[in-house]
Amino acid sequence: AQSVTQLDSHVSVSEGTPVLLRCNYSSSYSPSLFWYVQHPNKGLQLLLKYTSAATLVKGINGFEAEFKKSETSFHLTKPSAHMSDAAEYFCVVSGLGGNKLVFGAGTILRVKS
Amino acid sequence: EPEVTQTPSHQVTQMGQEVILRCVPISNHLYFYWYRQILGQKVEFLVSFYNNEISEKSEIFDDQFSVERPDGSNFTLKIRSTKLEDSAMYFCASSEEVRISNTEAFFGQGTRLTVV
Repeated sequence: AQSVTQLDSHVSVSEGTPVLLRCNYSSSYSPSLFWYVQHPNKGLQLLLKYTSAATLVKGINGFEAEFKKSETSFHLTKPSAHMSDAAEYFCVVSGLGGNKLVFGAGTILRVKS
Repeated sequence: EPEVTQTPSHQVTQMGQEVILRCVPISNHLYFYWYRQILGQKVEFLVSFYNNEISEKSEIFDDQFSVERPDGSNFTLKIRSTKLEDSAMYFCASSEEVRISNTEAFFGQGTRLTVV
């Protein structure tokens, strides 16, 4: 079965410093992988997705993620954190058949001024 | 920008009562989904819906749950007799295509259901 593990439940960074949110996946086939973000009282918003094209995926708001098959990882990064990045981030893998999403537990990102 | 809207944002109900959670998907989308997140747990898939029928459902989606598209715009999730363990945030989503890898699933802001 497909699954994702987000290695940190909480990450705290200072504004202007790099962000790293870690995700490992498990899949019996070539997966599609996503990062979603949820700001307070907002819906889940797609940041970026990997679907077997380029392994380095660029998303919205300066975020990017690199698919590393050898490490079964799909870590999310951003060079410089902004206060508005404070939110909960979900690493997600597509289920078998590709028509549903399997979520990680989420990582809450706190950005300090 | 088109968005998925859910109502109400928060619903409190007594155990054993029926609840209906409402969603308005994006207008040109054909595939609809419900997910839920129990506090402190992962977001879990409940059901997907296409062409007026369920296309896939999880083990969670038992006979207490049903979904319906009563008109051209709404997509509802009904829980017939709520239990305490149904307390969760329920997310509605929609997409243009069924294969998530080919498209994007757009999520609503969620309905927080509290069963007392």
